[in-house]
Amino acid sequence: GAGVSQSPRYKVTKRGQDVALRCDPISGHVSLYWYRQALGQGPEFLTYFNYEAQQDKSGLPNDRFSAERPEGSISTLTIQRTEQRDSAMYRCASSVSSGNTIYFGEGSWLTVV
Amino acid sequence: GIQVEQSPPDLILQEGANSTLRCNFSDSVNNLQWFHQNPWGQLINLFYIPSGTKQNGRLSATTVATERYSLLYISSSQTTDSGVYFCAADGGGSYIPTFGRGTSLIVHP
Repeated sequence: GAGVSQSPRYKVTKRGQDVALRCDPISGHVSLYWYRQALGQGPEFLTYFNYEAQQDKSGLPNDRFSAERPEGSISTLTIQRTEQRDSAMYRCASSVSSGNTIYFGEGSWLTVV
Repeated sequence: GIQVEQSPPDLILQEGANSTLRCNFSDSVNNLQWFHQNPWGQLINLFYIPSGTKQNGRLSATTVATERYSLLYISSSQTTDSGVYFCAADGGGSYIPTFGRGTSLIVHP
């Protein structure tokens, strides 16, 4: 597509539910990144992929968080058994390859109540 | 990993004023980018500038990699420049961009 597309844009979920956030990167972009941004903070790295391979997941806060990119294009970030502290903006970005300009989608706002 | 610090944290300007935002980083960088987060939360690319100087209209940026800092200049500021400015750097053996905490800019008419 023309830009990075994320869905849903807004998600309100009850504590304990699972949520899946989707990212469709710019067509042809090899690298895909997930970040989380709390209010008043900068984006914090969660994980990234080159093609379908998860290169680094050191930023995932705990084992309730997982991500996949099975065909090297669309990626899904899944949060299991959500907690209120998971409430944040989740941002996806892509780049032609590692070390190049990264482009962000509009983000997914997650609120856990 | 690389550490990124931005200053000032907050900035308030009158329309038409100029400003300089600073980004310091702790290690040699492969890449450095400046972003503008607008009031609707979108992160817009401004510059990809691992070294040297670039200009785009009223905005320009300079990165001095050997001294580990980058500067973003905004001239003749407009109310639409309001928002948060982030720099992001990767280096020190990693290609994962690390963000600073941002500079929050308010431009009054």
